[in-house]
Amino acid sequence: SQQGEEDPQALSIQEGENATMNCSYKTSINNLQWYRQNSGRGLVHLILIRSNEREKHSGRLRVTLDTSKKSSSLLITASRAADTASYFCATGLNNDMRFGAGTRLTVKP
Amino acid sequence: NAGVMQNPRHLVRRRGQEARLRCSPMKGHSHVYWYRQLPEEGLKFMVYLQKENIIDESGMPKERFSAEFPKEGPSILRIQQVVRGDSAAYFCASSPNRQANTEAFFGQGTRLTVV
Repeated sequence: SQQGEEDPQALSIQEGENATMNCSYKTSINNLQWYRQNSGRGLVHLILIRSNEREKHSGRLRVTLDTSKKSSSLLITASRAADTASYFCATGLNNDMRFGAGTRLTVKP
Repeated sequence: NAGVMQNPRHLVRRRGQEARLRCSPMKGHSHVYWYRQLPEEGLKFMVYLQKENIIDESGMPKERFSAEFPKEGPSILRIQQVVRGDSAAYFCASSPNRQANTEAFFGQGTRLTVV
């Protein structure tokens, strides 16, 4: 299965700290995407990284991709209480996306 | 340009009834994905459709579940004879094509409760 698996399952940090979430997958991919889901809401796309890219930034987000290890990480710097959400990675091959179970991030004020 | 629209947002069905979930993709998008999310769990892929075609239904239960994406109108996920275990949030996403580096856009989901 090319489904991504996030780790840890849950993460609790203080406001201002950095949060790192990891995603591992099993098969070849064209791209990997990170999504956020606030409780009871739909998914919001955060960032897409292509298989030939190693690192990508967007605001306070930094994503890395290591295709040799079949893993990716999402780093949120200077976290805020509003970052509290579930974060999912989705692995894509030919526009066919599969999601992991997500990391539940809690940022305490 | 409206986003992906799902309706209804909430659906309550009694055991044995049918549930119909609708997904209108973004304008110009011809690819639709359906996902199911059980409480406190991640998204599970169900089915991937292109207009009038099912591309991949490997994540959809063989019994009672069906999906379609007609030439005109929204994509429909149909669950017949619902059971309590079908209670979940069902999300659809759409994308414009099958290119590798394309973002998918998600709807707000339909929350199905089977009583």
